[in-house]
Amino acid sequence: DGGITQSPKYLFRKEGQNVTLSCEQNLNHDAMYWYRQDPGQGLRLIYYSQIVNDFQKGDIAEGYSVSREKKESFPLTVTSAQKNPTAFYLCASSISGTDTQYFGPGTRLTVL
Amino acid sequence: AQSVAQPEDQVNVAEGNPLTVKCTYSVSGNPYLFWYVQYPNRGLQFLLKYITGDNLVKGSYGFEAEFNKSQTSFHLKKPSALVSDSALYFCALLGSRGASGTYKYIFGTGTRLKVLA
Repeated sequence: DGGITQSPKYLFRKEGQNVTLSCEQNLNHDAMYWYRQDPGQGLRLIYYSQIVNDFQKGDIAEGYSVSREKKESFPLTVTSAQKNPTAFYLCASSISGTDTQYFGPGTRLTVL
Repeated sequence: AQSVAQPEDQVNVAEGNPLTVKCTYSVSGNPYLFWYVQYPNRGLQFLLKYITGDNLVKGSYGFEAEFNKSQTSFHLKKPSALVSDSALYFCALLGSRGASGTYKYIFGTGTRLKVLA
């Protein structure tokens, strides 16, 4: 997990609330990614950013938003529009879009 | 179509025995393939990758993987399994996103390895 931090480790949200998950990396990587992990479904890409001030929707972007104002930071907001947000969220980074991705330790979000 | 398949949800092996975790892929062009391991409530850890060159790739913790182009497979292997190898293993393919010119990882659904003492 070294070099990529995610906080908090566990997060509880009431229905109707927005929450923001933090992801920071000190690897000087240009590209950053957010994945959602559900049991038996592998990892699904939510958003990715290949450079500061630019990001693209992944396969399941609805109900999520991101920003990339700094190279080292890529926060993910889970909005109230996300109908089933309970999941394990993983952030990753890579030198570029075609390089090995390195993952953070994850945030487990539970909606109460 | 680009895809990755891990045909086994779970693999059980006795400690000390060799282990194999299977992965097959489908892609047009040359594949970039990766293996990751995940321990409970943790992020994914990179084990090894195949880009080009030797078909046998050596990685972390004694793992290796064999790339077989004719069988479109990239199986993960270890000569002697340890109880501490018990974890969830993911195979991934670097695929293109089509007209956008960007690339994305395509992950398999994961294989749970259980090493029995």
